[in-house]
Amino acid sequence: DAKTTQPPSMDCAEGRAANLPCNHSTISGNEYVYWYRQIHSQGPQYIIHGLKNNETNEMASLIITEDRKSSTLILPHATLRDTAVYYCIVRVALFGGGKLIFGQGTELSVKP
Amino acid sequence: KAGVTQTPRYLIKTRGQQVTLSCSPISGHRSVSWYQQTPGQGLQFLFEYFSETQRNKGNFPGRFSGRQFSNSRSEMNVSTLELGDSALYLCASSYSRNSDPGSPLHFGNGTRLTVT
Repeated sequence: DAKTTQPPSMDCAEGRAANLPCNHSTISGNEYVYWYRQIHSQGPQYIIHGLKNNETNEMASLIITEDRKSSTLILPHATLRDTAVYYCIVRVALFGGGKLIFGQGTELSVKP
Repeated sequence: KAGVTQTPRYLIKTRGQQVTLSCSPISGHRSVSWYQQTPGQGLQFLFEYFSETQRNKGNFPGRFSGRQFSNSRSEMNVSTLELGDSALYLCASSYSRNSDPGSPLHFGNGTRLTVT
């Protein structure tokens, strides 16, 4: 599985967009980009995933560069409840395999 | 739809004892995976079960074992507990259809194990 690189921490003002970058320069053609977040003392929460097209759901948008070597998770209007550790993961998702390799993630602090 | 349920939420054990943790996946999910989270090592994959068979295994000693029942519920067991086994143990389930290339994992809130 490809490795990911994320900044250890970021700050964002409440109500503004939070843009969380992720580098995955060794990603393979069959690997998806997944984003999870973990709020203190809870299990990781699935946010969004994509292969090569940009994706949007009710929580966030995922922008993947054309060469697929990096991506950005966008929380369009961050709230205090979005304060969490955000993990970017690349995953060979054939047959829905249950192994994810987590890095250290980005600790996002949303400030009033 | 109910989420992934893990019991118990907290557990305190003594070195040398053994422990069994339980996980009930989301209804209809057939894959169950287990993870260990510690401050030093972060989130690490333990093993995955699918249709009662271990499909994947992480790099943990044989003291860590698991099983899955016909209703997809899963248990993990740690024998001869060590102080370093103190961690948050997380269970995740997914639908895992062979034809679905992107079936996300959904996590429970874990069991906090403290070994004294």
